[in-house]
Amino acid sequence: NAGVTQTPKFRVLKTGQSMTLLCAQDMNHEYMYWYRQDPGMGLRLIHYSVGEGTTAKGEVPDGYNVSRLKKQNFLLGLESAAPSQTSVYFCASSYAPGLAGILAKNIQYFGAGTRLSVL
Amino acid sequence: DAKTTQPPSMDCAEGRAANLPCNHSTISGNEYVYWYRQIHSQGPQYIIHGLKNNETNEMASLIITEDRKSSTLILPHATLRDTAVYYCIVRVASGTYKYIFGTGTRLKVLA
Repeated sequence: NAGVTQTPKFRVLKTGQSMTLLCAQDMNHEYMYWYRQDPGMGLRLIHYSVGEGTTAKGEVPDGYNVSRLKKQNFLLGLESAAPSQTSVYFCASSYAPGLAGILAKNIQYFGAGTRLSVL
Repeated sequence: DAKTTQPPSMDCAEGRAANLPCNHSTISGNEYVYWYRQIHSQGPQYIIHGLKNNETNEMASLIITEDRKSSTLILPHATLRDTAVYYCIVRVASGTYKYIFGTGTRLKVLA
């Protein structure tokens, strides 16, 4: 059982380049999230998805786009990378909040992260 | 979601109990307290959560005060592998979907 898998683990970009980060989960979770973490800070939510084909903005969405074409995958795109986007990116997934029983716990499961440097 | 306040850092001797406090004085009645930890900049790992009763699992215990304005995460026998940043988060268990991470408490377990 792999849980949440992020690819790539590391990437170096030049300013203006584009790239896509992939998050895959095998737990049949409805909700998926993308966070960024800057040095010495907690995680900040970029975008999230409450189901296949749906996405929404989080706390710091500018400069990023996302897509959720398949339930198990959540992609984060940088169209024109900037040095300010140098960060560690984490993906997470969870059951939909509010369901009865164990699913109501709304525990988020995180991937190992992608370290991105933009020069 | 209520905000939380945690001390920035704590030390604990190996084998002793680590008690990590969290203040959440503005918590509302339907908000749960969640604890996560992050080891060596890996992805955060869920530890425990609770609403108003004390909770215990294989990793830790969670003590919530009767007025629910503060809580304490207890690692009963800390090991070097428990060295991590611990985050206390409060949020409703249904309806919303976002965690608000603060800067957490950096716990260092000393040999």
